[in-house]
Amino acid sequence: GENVEQHPSTLSVQEGDSAVIKCTYSDSASNYFPWYKQELGKGPQLIIDIRSNVGEKKDQRIAVTLNKTAKHFSLHITETQPEDSAVYFCAAVSGGSYIPTFGRGTSLIVHP
Amino acid sequence: NAGVMQNPRHLVRRRGQEARLRCSPMKGHSHVYWYRQLPEEGLKFMVYLQKENIIDESGMPKERFSAEFPKEGPSILRIQQVVRGDSAAYFCASSREGNVLTFGAGSRLTVL
Repeated sequence: GENVEQHPSTLSVQEGDSAVIKCTYSDSASNYFPWYKQELGKGPQLIIDIRSNVGEKKDQRIAVTLNKTAKHFSLHITETQPEDSAVYFCAAVSGGSYIPTFGRGTSLIVHP
Repeated sequence: NAGVMQNPRHLVRRRGQEARLRCSPMKGHSHVYWYRQLPEEGLKFMVYLQKENIIDESGMPKERFSAEFPKEGPSILRIQQVVRGDSAAYFCASSREGNVLTFGAGSRLTVL
């Protein structure tokens, strides 16, 4: 089955800096890669996703890149703000599976 | 348009009791997923259901755990004879046609 590795497990940045979270996946048949943000005591919320026919996608301060050859994808957050502090999860979905496999999460701390 | 509704939000059980967690998917969503989250760990897939059918239960322990999604009413995750190791947050997610999941706020089970 699919295996998703996520790094780093903790990321501490100053407000205004950029943050990058990286994930790798094992199943070359994976074709959908969502990212979720989970605030304390809440459920994960989808913040951005990318499909395998696209190399990059951007939504305001958030961007995701995908390298299918290397089987890795990354989340980039620019101009970080304290409200970006949360746990971020990457996931991969294998074609026809409909079941996301999640990474272990990255705890992002943005210091004011 | 209410999101994914889970209840109870918090549940305390003594060892050997039964726990029932309920999930009402978003309106128009016919796919339901259950994930378990342990402290500082990622989301572990348990089971994927469509109305009246279990599609994939490969992540569910073989004993004591069961799930259903009846034609009418919410999906239910049932844990019989709970043990301390069952203490976790259980998240339900729903989707219209697979892939894009919307999560509920979770049910936090504590086993004394």
